[in-house]
Amino acid sequence: DVKVTQSSRYLVKRTGEKVFLECVQDMDHENMFWYRQDPGLGLRLIYFSYDVKMKEKGDIPEGYSVSREKKERFSLILESASTNQTSMYLCASSSGRIEAFFGQGTRLTVV
Amino acid sequence: QKEVEQDPGPLSVPEGAIVSLNCTYSNSAFQYFMWYRQYSRKGPELLMYTYSSGNKEDGRFTAQVDKSSKYISLFIRDSQPSDSATYLCAMSEGTNAGKSTFGDGTTLTVKP
Repeated sequence: DVKVTQSSRYLVKRTGEKVFLECVQDMDHENMFWYRQDPGLGLRLIYFSYDVKMKEKGDIPEGYSVSREKKERFSLILESASTNQTSMYLCASSSGRIEAFFGQGTRLTVV
Repeated sequence: QKEVEQDPGPLSVPEGAIVSLNCTYSNSAFQYFMWYRQYSRKGPELLMYTYSSGNKEDGRFTAQVDKSSKYISLFIRDSQPSDSATYLCAMSEGTNAGKSTFGDGTTLTVKP
C-alpha cells in the first residue's frame, strides 16, 4: 500500500519561529510537492521537486523554502512563521503519471 | 478570475439520490481531468480521471468532460453515507498530476 507520511498532524508555532514540515514517501517517486489548503482558495502549490536537490517554485512560494536531500524525503521550511501561514499543509508524491498520492496533512497554527 | 471554478456547496442529499458535482475552467490546454475525494482530516485520494472529452464510468461514479464548454461533472448514483466527503476537481496539461490546478472543493453530505 502506497504511503506518504507527514511528520505531524497538528502544530502550533509562534510568530517568527522557523518551522520545519517533513514528508516521507515509500514509493520511490521522483516527484514531490507541497500544497497548502485554505477554505475558499482550494489547494495551492507552494513548491515541487523533480529529483534530489532539485526544486521549483509553485504558485505561492513567498515565505517558504524546501529541501530534498534524499529521494524519499521532502521538507517544507517556513523561515519566519507568520499568522497568514496558518493553514493545512499537504505533501504529495507522484511517479510522473496521473495520480498524486497525498499525505494526511499537517494543520499548522501560527499564534 | 480563477483558472478552475467549482460549485461551492455544501451539498446535502438523502441516501440513494443522484449527485452532480461540477467544475468549469478557462485554460484550453488542460487535457487531464481528475476527481479527488477527501474525507475529513485526511488527504485527497484520486477517485477517477478522464483524458480529453468524453465519459468514464466506474461503478456508481461517472465522470463527464465537455471541452467545448470547458465544463466537467462527476455524477454519483445511488449515493451512500460513505460518499460524504469533499470532492475536488483537478486539471492538468500533462500527465504529471502533482502540478494540477485544483478547484476549491464541494462538501457533500449524504443523509441516511
